[in-house]
Amino acid sequence: DAKTTQPPSMDCAEGRAANLPCNHSTISGNEYVYWYRQIHSQGPQYIIHGLKNNETNEMASLIITEDRKSSTLILPHATLRDTAVYYCIVRVENDYKLSFGAGTTVTVRA
Amino acid sequence: DGGITQSPKYLFRKEGQNVTLSCEQNLNHDAMYWYRQDPGQGLRLIYYSQIVNDFQKGDIAEGYSVSREKKESFPLTVTSAQKNPTAFYLCASSILGVTYNEQFFGPGTRLTVL
Repeated sequence: DAKTTQPPSMDCAEGRAANLPCNHSTISGNEYVYWYRQIHSQGPQYIIHGLKNNETNEMASLIITEDRKSSTLILPHATLRDTAVYYCIVRVENDYKLSFGAGTTVTVRA
Repeated sequence: DGGITQSPKYLFRKEGQNVTLSCEQNLNHDAMYWYRQDPGQGLRLIYYSQIVNDFQKGDIAEGYSVSREKKESFPLTVTSAQKNPTAFYLCASSILGVTYNEQFFGPGTRLTVL
């Protein structure tokens, strides 16, 4: 699987959009970008995934650059409950394993 | 409610003792996984199973053993051979045969070896 690079931490104001970057410059054509998050002392939670098109669901939006070498997870209106570690993962289609790095610790402040 | 249960939430053991962590799911998922998480680190895969009576080693299988006798259950045994067993253990499950694979995680078991 391609390696991902994320900033170790970032702060966000409550009610504002949070933009979380991820670099995956060695991504292959059949590798998907996944985002999970982990609230303190809980199991990770799936957020969203994409291949090359931008994706949106009830939790977030995923913007993937045209060359697919980087992506941004957008939390449109961050709340205090969005404080968590966010993991960007790149994985081959139909590969059942996930490789978690250290992620980005996002702190939403009132 | 459908989901994954892990028990207990906190577990304490003396050094040199084997300990078994429970993981049960009622999501009818074929695949199950065990991960280990150390403080400030990401998750590392210990073992995974895609079908009953079959399982594969992950990245850090040494000192651990698993069984998959039932689809719903995937217990993990931390043996005395695991040199640093104190950690947060997470179990997950997923369906197979789809283009993407969302893993559902349990609440975790925090193991402390004294």
